[in-house]
Amino acid sequence: GEDVEQSLFLSVREGDSSVINCTYTDSSSTYLYWYKQEPGAGLQLLTYIFSNMDMKQDQRLTVLLNKKDKHLSLRIADTQTGDSAIYFCAINNAGNMLTFGGGTRLMVKP
Amino acid sequence: GAGVSQTPSNKVTEKGKYVELRCDPISGHTALYWYRQSLGQGPEFLIYFQGTGAADDSGLPNDRFFAVRPEGSVSTLKIQRTERGDSAVYLCASSSNTGELFFGEGSRLTVL
Repeated sequence: GEDVEQSLFLSVREGDSSVINCTYTDSSSTYLYWYKQEPGAGLQLLTYIFSNMDMKQDQRLTVLLNKKDKHLSLRIADTQTGDSAIYFCAINNAGNMLTFGGGTRLMVKP
Repeated sequence: GAGVSQTPSNKVTEKGKYVELRCDPISGHTALYWYRQSLGQGPEFLIYFQGTGAADDSGLPNDRFFAVRPEGSVSTLKIQRTERGDSAVYLCASSSNTGELFFGEGSRLTVL
């Protein structure tokens, strides 16, 4: 089946950029997503990228997709303490069914 | 309400008991999904409904798990003879034809 991998933890200082990485195995995905999960809360869709794009920018967020290497990244510019959360990458396979990575816990230090 | 609503938010039960978890999707959303998120892991797919029918139930771990959506709106996830390994947060999501999934806040199940 599909495998989506993320590093477990990332720590940055407030104001720095954060880069969260994700690798996947299924090359047939149409959309690739980044979700944010804060403690005790549901998953919030941050952004997504269509598989025929290399990059998408949305305010402080930049998504890069390298289809050849099956690598997806999320860059958060000017990281704030409110960005501290767990970030999940997810890819769709059959229809809208999503396969999630294990999540990367982002800690932002003041 | 405006979002996906899940009840109960927390459920503590004893091993062997029967549990029902409810999901009220966004009005008009035809697709509904159940995911399970164990501690420290990402959500894992359980089942997907399109309308009233289960379009894909390949993620249900065994026959103790069952889900229904009789009128194509509210869905209930049913777990029989609960085991300690069933402890997790059960997430529900719904989507319209645009495809974006909107998640509820989940039902945290603890089996003692």
